[in-house]
Amino acid sequence: DAGVIQSPRHEVTEMGQEVTLRCKPISGHDYLFWYRQTMMRGLELLIYFNNNVPIDDSGMPEDRFSAKMPNASFSTLKIQPSEPRDSAVYFCASSLSGANYGYTFGSGTRLTVV
Amino acid sequence: AQSVTQLDSQVPVFEEAPVELRCNYSSSVSVYLFWYVQYPNQGLQLLLKYLSGSTLVKGINGFEAEFNKSQTSFHLRKPSVHISDTAEYFCAVKESGYALNFGKGTSLLVTP
Repeated sequence: DAGVIQSPRHEVTEMGQEVTLRCKPISGHDYLFWYRQTMMRGLELLIYFNNNVPIDDSGMPEDRFSAKMPNASFSTLKIQPSEPRDSAVYFCASSLSGANYGYTFGSGTRLTVV
Repeated sequence: AQSVTQLDSQVPVFEEAPVELRCNYSSSVSVYLFWYVQYPNQGLQLLLKYLSGSTLVKGINGFEAEFNKSQTSFHLRKPSVHISDTAEYFCAVKESGYALNFGKGTSLLVTP
């Protein structure tokens, strides 16, 4: 298995532009998570899905952020419009169901908003 | 609600010395505990996990952790570190039905 695949690896965009981050989870995993990592706040859970359905989006910072999972093999995190404070590394992770399973993380997307 | 506290933000250590990275958690129910490692410019990798049974858990790269229920701790240890162990280490706790909750991380810096 290729693991969790995220694209792009790096994204530089201007303030006000729309940004779309993509994630392909491990086949067979029924949970998908989006995290954001910054120096100041560490790892923050933004949203997670179970069987393509959003379960908890309480970590999404504001309405500018949205996430979708149209099928079991693809998810997107969209920021519109982007702001400099959105600059961070965004990680996608997937997992099997069951509290005893850890997550498999992708390599992340480093977003810079200028 | 669960929370995770990593007591040290940075731990400098010399090569071949032992190291302990501390982690405490708070939860009112049974939890599952994890340690992850993040090398520069990479995602997080699972080092080890405690689910039940023996309180001493062995992981990859020679790391181990001990679960102490009375002290609500899950400290990570390695008897002899290498330069290549330089990385960020994250402790995480999970309750049934909830997502992983991560600590803020401990930066381990191994020098010759």
